[in-house]
Amino acid sequence: QQQVKQSPQSLIVQKGGISIINCAYENTAFDYFPWYQQFPGKGPALLIAIRPDVSEKKEGRFTISFNKSAKQFSLHIMDSQPGDSATYFCAANFGDKLIFGTGTRLQVFP
Amino acid sequence: SAVISQKPSRDICQRGTSLTIQCQVDSQVTMMFWYRQQPGQSLTLIATANQGSEATYESGFVIDKFPISRPNLTFSTLTVSNMSPEDSSIYLCSVDRTGGYEQYFGPGTRLTVT
Repeated sequence: QQQVKQSPQSLIVQKGGISIINCAYENTAFDYFPWYQQFPGKGPALLIAIRPDVSEKKEGRFTISFNKSAKQFSLHIMDSQPGDSATYFCAANFGDKLIFGTGTRLQVFP
Repeated sequence: SAVISQKPSRDICQRGTSLTIQCQVDSQVTMMFWYRQQPGQSLTLIATANQGSEATYESGFVIDKFPISRPNLTFSTLTVSNMSPEDSSIYLCSVDRTGGYEQYFGPGTRLTVT
């Protein structure tokens, strides 16, 4: 199954709060999981990525948690800021291609 | 990473015409990809364009409708042929230097077909 399921579709968080976006997959052949951030009118930008042999990766306020047995992974944005308001896509590597989730529109209010 | 530019950034075209979108990268890359993104939607891969070989199209996309050229390791074009309003979308190119793990995207071309 070459799908990555992403939730929620939209998320509203207050400034300083934690934003959590979840993704799930079925294909155990996926071996790399990047997250992309896209602002309106711009192309997606690589944010952070993880391999399935690692349970957590942190870069600044962004953390990926990975649960290989459950085939789930999530993006946590700590101390969310209005500048984080964007659409976030999870993805999974399959061969030489990326399979993208459906996207989560995050709005952070002051 | 990579610096990627696309031309045009946006265009409004009439039904039945064709538009060629250019993608330029600041350094040589083997793998380039073309995506379509409907407003508010996810990314759908149109084709993979590797220099020196024919583009590989995904299910639902055909060469007659979306011809692609890849003349060298820094440049590619996507043509949207015989356009209809259903082709109104954002078209994105991306490059990959990591063998399929990480892609870097251009800013996109916003196409409106009237």
